[in-house]
Amino acid sequence: LAKTTQPISMDSYEGQEVNITCSHNNIATNDYITWYQQFPSQGPRFIIQGYKTKVTNEVASLFIPADRKSSTLSLPRVSLSDTAVYYCLVGYNDYKLSFGAGTTVTVRA
Amino acid sequence: GAVVSQHPSWVICKSGTSVKIECRSLDFQATTMFWYRQFPKQSLMLMATSNEGSKATYEQGVEKDKFLINHASLTLSTLTVTSAHPEDSSFYICSAREPSVEAYNEQFFGPGTRLTVL
Repeated sequence: LAKTTQPISMDSYEGQEVNITCSHNNIATNDYITWYQQFPSQGPRFIIQGYKTKVTNEVASLFIPADRKSSTLSLPRVSLSDTAVYYCLVGYNDYKLSFGAGTTVTVRA
Repeated sequence: GAVVSQHPSWVICKSGTSVKIECRSLDFQATTMFWYRQFPKQSLMLMATSNEGSKATYEQGVEKDKFLINHASLTLSTLTVTSAHPEDSSFYICSAREPSVEAYNEQFFGPGTRLTVL
């Protein structure tokens, strides 16, 4: 499983865009990049997944450069309810998810 | 999306007693479920993989005799913490993969069970 590195924390204000960059220098050819969100005392929730270029859904966008050694999760116009821990995972295995430290995003009014 | 439930949501027990936590996939069948543990301010750590009809696979450092896992049906896995001690106090979370979901690495997580051992 490829190791990932994310910032420990990020602060933002309501209505701003939040971009969290994850480094995964040893990503394998078959690996996908997946992001999860976790609120306090809850299980994680799948946000988005991508392999290359850009992926967008109703919640977020995921930008992946050509070398795939990093990726950026973009949360548009965050609200207070987006305060959570965001985890970047890299892998191909359907079964063993390896969670790193994650990024604590705090959104302030 | 697929729903995974856990019961109980929280439990307090005395040291030395055993506690059973249930994990259910409500609207899909899961041949494989996973159990994680999360200490305060820390990330999730995979404890074991629960396989329906066979023995669970434990991660290195996890005592299989202490954390008993039973996956008796395609919708239910149980984790029993035997002879619990205060250091076992943690947030236990299960997850399952919905077979029809196309995305790799997408699992559905339960809401978690907060275990406090006095």
